[in-house]
Amino acid sequence: DSGVTQTPKHLITATGQRVTLRCSPRSGDLSVYWYQQSLDQGLQFLIQYYNGEERAKGNILERFSAQQFPDLHSELNLSSLELGDSALYFCASSVGSGGTDTQYFGPGTRLTVL
Amino acid sequence: GDSVTQMEGPVTLSEEAFLTINCTYTATGYPSLFWYVQYPGEGLQLLLKATKADDKGSNKGFEATYRKETTSFHLEKGSVQVSDSAVYFCALRRGFSGGYNKLIFGAGTRLAVHP
Repeated sequence: DSGVTQTPKHLITATGQRVTLRCSPRSGDLSVYWYQQSLDQGLQFLIQYYNGEERAKGNILERFSAQQFPDLHSELNLSSLELGDSALYFCASSVGSGGTDTQYFGPGTRLTVL
Repeated sequence: GDSVTQMEGPVTLSEEAFLTINCTYTATGYPSLFWYVQYPGEGLQLLLKATKADDKGSNKGFEATYRKETTSFHLEKGSVQVSDSAVYFCALRRGFSGGYNKLIFGAGTRLAVHP
């Protein structure tokens, strides 16, 4: 158990809908990261937040947005969902923001878009 | 841009066989390198890491050496067990202290170990 929690574990929804994925980092960690794991794209970095501020952006679609709250939990919002958004979404956390910190991953949220 | 290439799976071995999973990378500078493992139905777990050239990461009998001259970070284990069956991901880290931090992953290699 990494100490990173994600809810829900599974989510099934329809095209065009909007969903929110939630992540709580390990105690003491200030950075939160979101990754998408899909069959065709593999594991891809989406976005990083550090203490409420966005620090890095990867291949995140404009239909997706994220935020980190004062209690350090983070939410990933996915809107106007398409079939291709079906994937496993991982959250990770680390102590600091920088290039020497190890990222610890949560169990993931499996999103299925029908 | 930065990228990681892993050998395609699945890799199927008998218990106690020797394991090698190849990983090569393309990157500027000297990124840190990682192996993560994903057991069925679970998230990613850090297996081992190396932060500079010639460093050897090791954990649970697995080893990998950061080879700058060949831009490689191959994963090895002398004797695999059925419980090692999982998907293994090689990754490099891009970032700088006080700034940002992101992992770039390879496609993953599925390992199946049979008794």
